[in-house]
Amino acid sequence: EPEVTQTPSHQVTQMGQEVILRCVPISNHLYFYWYRQILGQKVEFLVSFYNNEISEKSEIFDDQFSVERPDGSNFTLKIRSTKLEDSAMYFCANPRQEHTGELFFGEGSRLTVL
Amino acid sequence: GENVEQHPSTLSVQEGDSAVIKCTYSDSASNYFPWYKQELGKRPQLIIDIRSNVGEKKDQRIAVTLNKTAKHFSLHITETQPEDSAVYFCAAWGSNYKLTFGKGTLLTVNP
Repeated sequence: EPEVTQTPSHQVTQMGQEVILRCVPISNHLYFYWYRQILGQKVEFLVSFYNNEISEKSEIFDDQFSVERPDGSNFTLKIRSTKLEDSAMYFCANPRQEHTGELFFGEGSRLTVL
Repeated sequence: GENVEQHPSTLSVQEGDSAVIKCTYSDSASNYFPWYKQELGKRPQLIIDIRSNVGEKKDQRIAVTLNKTAKHFSLHITETQPEDSAVYFCAAWGSNYKLTFGKGTLLTVNP
């Protein structure tokens, strides 16, 4: 089964600091997603990335967030100035096949903002 | 955009009983409805899904039904076991190529 891998598994940071979360998607897939899950709550859509461009972003994905593909394969989610309410699990995901909803989620990166 | 409602938020059953979780969606263009199981501290794992051209799908003790007219779908777990205890999320895949999740159901199976 294909695997989506994320690093770090857990990061603790001070409020106001920049954080970069990384994801290695299923290779050669054009669609890519970031989701967020605050502890005890539902999985929320952050942003979708298609063919190296942002396809759609939610209202959560404000100017403090950015997504990049720095080396053509890995993806990063950057939060420029973290807030307490950014504390959550961040999942990246790929569909099994393009244009389908069967998403494979990475193990997640737990972000704790103090 | 799509809105997915899920009920109940918590469900407690005795081992061996059945469990039913229900979801409704708003976007009539949604055509794929997966269910995810999430254990504490883990990622969501796909357990079963259904596409809009099918009314029912079964996989051993798990089944999902879809009523497109009413825009609702349900997860049925029969002969529940303690290892079924987890949070279950329904989701809908819409015309905007993203999954929208329900708020989740905490299922507790008591031995």
